Amino acid sequence: EAEVAQSPRYKITEKSQAVAFWCDPISGHATLYWYRQILGQGPELLVQFQDESVVDDSQLPKDRFSAERLKGVDSTLKIQPAELGDSAMYLCASSLGFRGYEQYFGPGTRLTVT
Amino acid sequence: TQLLEQSPQFLSIQEGENLTVYCNSSSVFSSLQWYRQEPGEGPVLLVTVVTGGEVKKLKRLTFQFGDARKDSSLHITAAQPGDTGLYLCAGEGAAGNKLTFGGGTRVLVKP
Repeated sequence: EAEVAQSPRYKITEKSQAVAFWCDPISGHATLYWYRQILGQGPELLVQFQDESVVDDSQLPKDRFSAERLKGVDSTLKIQPAELGDSAMYLCASSLGFRGYEQYFGPGTRLTVT
Repeated sequence: TQLLEQSPQFLSIQEGENLTVYCNSSSVFSSLQWYRQEPGEGPVLLVTVVTGGEVKKLKRLTFQFGDARKDSSLHITAAQPGDTGLYLCAGEGAAGNKLTFGGGTRVLVKP
């Protein structure tokens, strides 16, 4: 069964350092999402791609976060510089299309900023 | 901003008991989804409800969408330890496939 792949699974970094997460969606899925889930809360959408284009990044802290999906397949989310409050689970999800399609989630990257 | 509130935040019950989780909003959603999330893993979709008043059953789980499409409930009959996890509701707005998640209900079923 096809799955969304994410790496690394766990990342510990010091504040002010740069960190990057990678996501490989299910093959053929045009829409890719990055979510942040703080411990004890539900996921919050950070950015949504349709192919290589950003559809929604209204909740992305653009002063320190960036996301790209250059060839419309895999995607990278970067934080620079990391802050203590960035400690969270970063989830990637993909779906066949923009509307009305099920989102499939990856296992997430657990980030701890010290 | 569309907000979803889940209650209770935490439930601890004995195996064999029933439980209900609620998901409420002041906003109307085009559909509402329920997910279960295991520790260290991503959420897994359980069901999607679309029509106001809709009831869906998945084995011992019963999902209901409110008539006004603003609220939903998840009822588990005769809970088992395997039902332990974080249950999340998520609403899809009318504008597109953007999900707004509730804060989650952590369920612990003790043997």
